Parts: sequence; C-alpha cells; structure tokens
Amino acid sequence: DIQMTQSPSSLSASVGDRVTITCRASQSINRYLYWYQQKPGEAPKLLIYDASRLPSWVPSRFSGGGSETEFTLTINSLQAEDLAVYHCQQNYRTPWTFGQGTKVEIK
Amino acid sequence: QVQLQESGPGLVKPSQTLSLTCTVSDGAISSGSDYWDWIRQPAGEGLEWIGRIHSSGTTNYNPSFKSRVTISVDTSNSLFSLKLSSVTAADTAVYYCANLELATLIPWGQGTLVTVSS
Repeated sequence: DIQMTQSPSSLSASVGDRVTITCRASQSINRYLYWYQQKPGEAPKLLIYDASRLPSWVPSRFSGGGSETEFTLTINSLQAEDLAVYHCQQNYRTPWTFGQGTKVEIK
Repeated sequence: QVQLQESGPGLVKPSQTLSLTCTVSDGAISSGSDYWDWIRQPAGEGLEWIGRIHSSGTTNYNPSFKSRVTISVDTSNSLFSLKLSSVTAADTAVYYCANLELATLIPWGQGTLVTVSS
C-alpha cells in the first residue's frame, strides 16, 4: 500500500495568514493526488485534484503543488470559514489511501 | 447534480454483519461506467477506504478488510451496498459512499454513523 503522511497534524493561524500543509507519499504517485476539506460535522469535499487543479467552486486563495512524492496545500489569506480538517488522498493505485488529516484552527 | 445517500442501521451488535446501502440519484449507476466507493472514518480519526465496485460488478477491496467485506451493486435500483461481517467496536465509524474518480462532479454522501455495541 502507498502510505500518505501529512504534516503538521494540526496548526493554529490568524485570519489573513498564509498556511501550508505538506503531504508525502511513500512512493511516486505522479500527480495523482486529491486534497479534501472537511468542515465540522460534514462530509469531506473535494478541494484540489491532480495535485494543483481547483474545481470551480473552490476560492482562488487555495492552491496545490508538488509531484511524485511531495505535495503541498497552501491557503493564502486564511479566512474564518477555512476552519476544517484537510486530507490528502492518492488516486494512483488501489487501495486508495489518505493522509491522517491536518486540523486547521483559527487563532 | 448526482447525489449519494447512505442508509442502514445505526447500531450493530458485535460479531454481527454491518449492512449499508448507498442510493445514487438520477439512475447514475446504470447510465455510466464508473466505480463506486465506500470509505469510513472513526470518530476523531482519518479516512479509510474500504473498497469499490464497478457498475459491471467488478470489485476492489482494501486488503485490510478483504476477508470481511462484500460490496454489491443493483443497477436496476441505482444503488450499491456494503456488508462488513464479524464487526467489533473498532468498526464503529461514520461510513461514507462516494465516487472518488468523479469527485469533481459527484459529492460524497453525507455519511451515516454506525455504532457497534451490545
């Protein structure tokens, strides 16, 4: 199985800050990486696909980067509504695997 | 937009079989050629992929569950189902259905909490 490791596991930042979350794969997954946002009490919602592509409903302050084994999710100018847990997931090979999640809190 | 909805018992006794159904709106299962997934999330923990089924009936399972899990599809009723046998308290989780390969088009189901307890 491909192991996905996220860091940090949690962070606290102020509104307006730039936040970066890292996701590392145990082997190369090309750019077959999703990022999900999960707000409290809700199902995960797709945030980024193919490592850096944004669905139409995602604000442009979110961006993704990376390839092979190292990926990043960046939130430019953090907003209060970005309070959530962020998950990465590889869709290179089954079994699909997820990172353990990064909880983003607002100071 | 296609929508997914999980249903099934919220309480299952230890050693019994957990059974859930995911209803796919607009007959999307029968009209497409897609895989349909089950994922779970224990309280306060990360997401774990259980397995998937193609509309043709082909399945892929997570080896962590392979001996206990069965996923089936009913294209005539546009639904797919999960059975997980010999459950223990460790199987207590929110269970989601989704189409991970079409996540840009189809949102996950809202999830259903299943508690394993006597």
